[in-house]
Amino acid sequence: AQTVTQSQPEMSVQEAETVTLSCTYDTSESNYYLFWYKQPPSRQMILVIRQEAYKQQNATENRFSVNFQKAAKSFSLKISDSQLGDTAMYFCAFMIWQGAQKLVFGQGTRLTINP
Amino acid sequence: TAGITQAPTSQILAAGRSMTLRCTQDMRHNAMYWYRQDLGLGLRLIHYSNTAGTTGKGEVPDGYSVSRANTDDFPLTLASAVPSQTSVYFCASSDRQGAIRNTEAFFGQGTRLTVV
Repeated sequence: AQTVTQSQPEMSVQEAETVTLSCTYDTSESNYYLFWYKQPPSRQMILVIRQEAYKQQNATENRFSVNFQKAAKSFSLKISDSQLGDTAMYFCAFMIWQGAQKLVFGQGTRLTINP
Repeated sequence: TAGITQAPTSQILAAGRSMTLRCTQDMRHNAMYWYRQDLGLGLRLIHYSNTAGTTGKGEVPDGYSVSRANTDDFPLTLASAVPSQTSVYFCASSDRQGAIRNTEAFFGQGTRLTVV
């Protein structure tokens, strides 16, 4: 089975702090992509960062970075210098090609940045 | 470009009635998906299609059907709605082949469906 698990339903930090969101996944595939999506109250789904499974170097996008541990099937998201606009639901996901292309999501983590 | 358009934005539906949620994309993406979003459960895949003329079942397909007559449209039909189908529904698309820059999935704005 292809699954994604986000063990933190909610998190809350103060503005300017660093926060790490956890994600683990399970797949027998060797080639896949990993993603973090952000969903603000507007309901829009916004891609935050992506990682190719065959690349060992962790992806970085400005204040967002990942810690990708392929053997442990772990893909955490670190947000540095958090801002009020980072308040949102965050979803971890992976895309696989298993005869068919599928995009599988985790349960989500609700992140609140407090002023 | 518009990207992905879903209609309607929201709907209240009587139990037992049928309804089709519409999804259209203008990016010529091969792959399209339907998800339902429920609190605490994240986005669960209902059905997907990797190319026009083909569809597949996702994690929660029961009570839903889809068709893919062409590349751009991927409607989701509830034949006889039940209250447990109350949810927010998202349509998404991605390019099935190509470099990593094409693997990003693009989402519609969602349809909030309430079955009463």
